[in-house]
Amino acid sequence: EIVMTQSPATLSVSPGERATLSCRASQSVSSNLAWYQQKPGQAPRLLIYGASTRATGIPARFSGSGSGTEFTLTISSLQSEDFAVYYCQQYNNWPPVTFGGGTKVEIK
Amino acid sequence: QVQLVQSGAEVKKPGASVKVSCKASGYTFTSYGISWVRQAPGQGLEWMGWISAYNGNTNYAQKLQGRVTMTTDTSTSTAYMELRSLRSDDTAVYYCARVYDSRYWYFDLWGRGTLVTVSS
Repeated sequence: EIVMTQSPATLSVSPGERATLSCRASQSVSSNLAWYQQKPGQAPRLLIYGASTRATGIPARFSGSGSGTEFTLTISSLQSEDFAVYYCQQYNNWPPVTFGGGTKVEIK
Repeated sequence: QVQLVQSGAEVKKPGASVKVSCKASGYTFTSYGISWVRQAPGQGLEWMGWISAYNGNTNYAQKLQGRVTMTTDTSTSTAYMELRSLRSDDTAVYYCARVYDSRYWYFDLWGRGTLVTVSS
């Protein structure tokens, strides 16, 4: 089973600033990585798939990069609605698909 | 409208079973698989398994083998997840999610979740 590790666990950012979230896989997952956003009391929402492709309706301020074992989600200018928990998920070696433990982006 | 609508919250006693439903609308149900993902209170996401809505093939997380059964009813475009021998650590929100396709198991559509509480 591939272990996904996200860092940091919590990221404190001011509105308008840039946020950079990291996700590391215990072995290569090629570009088969997705990012999700989850707000309190809501289901996760797909943001990015294929490591760098934005899902339908996702604003351009969200971007993903990386391949192999190291991945990054960047939010270029944080808006109030972006404060949430973000999860990465690998789907290269399945089953099982596996999720990272999440990064909470909070208001500084 | 493309959506997955899940059944309501459940409270169960330890040792009981629960069956959660997930009704799809707005797309061709049999063209996609459905996965179930759960989230314990304050915790992360845990994949439970997958079912093909096309042919009913399943794949379950190893830790749940023997306790979980996933089924579909194509006549009503509904997926079901049954979990047996419930324990307190099964208390969680259970989500159904549409799998993008058979090669790429990421989840492009989610239900709103069903809270299952296991308590004596």
